[in-house]
Amino acid sequence: GNSVTQMEGPVTLSEEAFLTINCTYTATGYPSLFWYVQYPGEGLQLLLKATKADDKGSNKGFEATYRKETTSFHLEKGSVQVSDSAVYFCALLYSSASKIIFGSGTRLSIRP
Amino acid sequence: DAGVTQSPTHLIKTRGQQVTLRCSPKSGHDTVSWYQQALGQGPQFIFQYYEEEERQRGNFPDRFSGHQFPNYSSELNVNALLLGDSALYLCASSLGGQAGETQYFGPGTRLLVL
Repeated sequence: GNSVTQMEGPVTLSEEAFLTINCTYTATGYPSLFWYVQYPGEGLQLLLKATKADDKGSNKGFEATYRKETTSFHLEKGSVQVSDSAVYFCALLYSSASKIIFGSGTRLSIRP
Repeated sequence: DAGVTQSPTHLIKTRGQQVTLRCSPKSGHDTVSWYQQALGQGPQFIFQYYEEEERQRGNFPDRFSGHQFPNYSSELNVNALLLGDSALYLCASSLGGQAGETQYFGPGTRLLVL
């Protein structure tokens, strides 16, 4: 079946460090891929998306590239800030479907 | 531009009771989806409403039901509450009734069942 696998957290980094959160997916066909972020006590916010192979989604210094050959959508940021501390969810959605399939989330903590 | 709103923000119920959660979609959106997020987990799809009808349903029992009103707002009802129904319930809205449209989430309703 279709699924999303994320690297397990928590991930703890120092401010200004480079961030990578790995995400791979299992799917038939070509879904759209998303990263959502959840700050403490809040709902989900769309961070970025990519709808086809080789697309790069970017927002707020974060970016991720849709890699069909490796079925991956890794999230990266060059220099993290304390305010980036949150839980990050990788997700997929088929154009023919209504439901988003989420990974289990990766908790990121940034030390000042 | 009003985003997705949900009410109430928090709710405490006891086993066996019934609960109704409410959602107003983002301005201009006509499709509402509901998700359940257990502690430490990713959200799980419950169902989606479009044109006042349930369009797709996830793997949830019939105790979970919903409704969409002509103004596109939606309710999620859960009957015969179980302890395991304690979770954050998220509503998401999207545009145009097309499957695959980006969904935007509300802040959620946190339900605790005692």
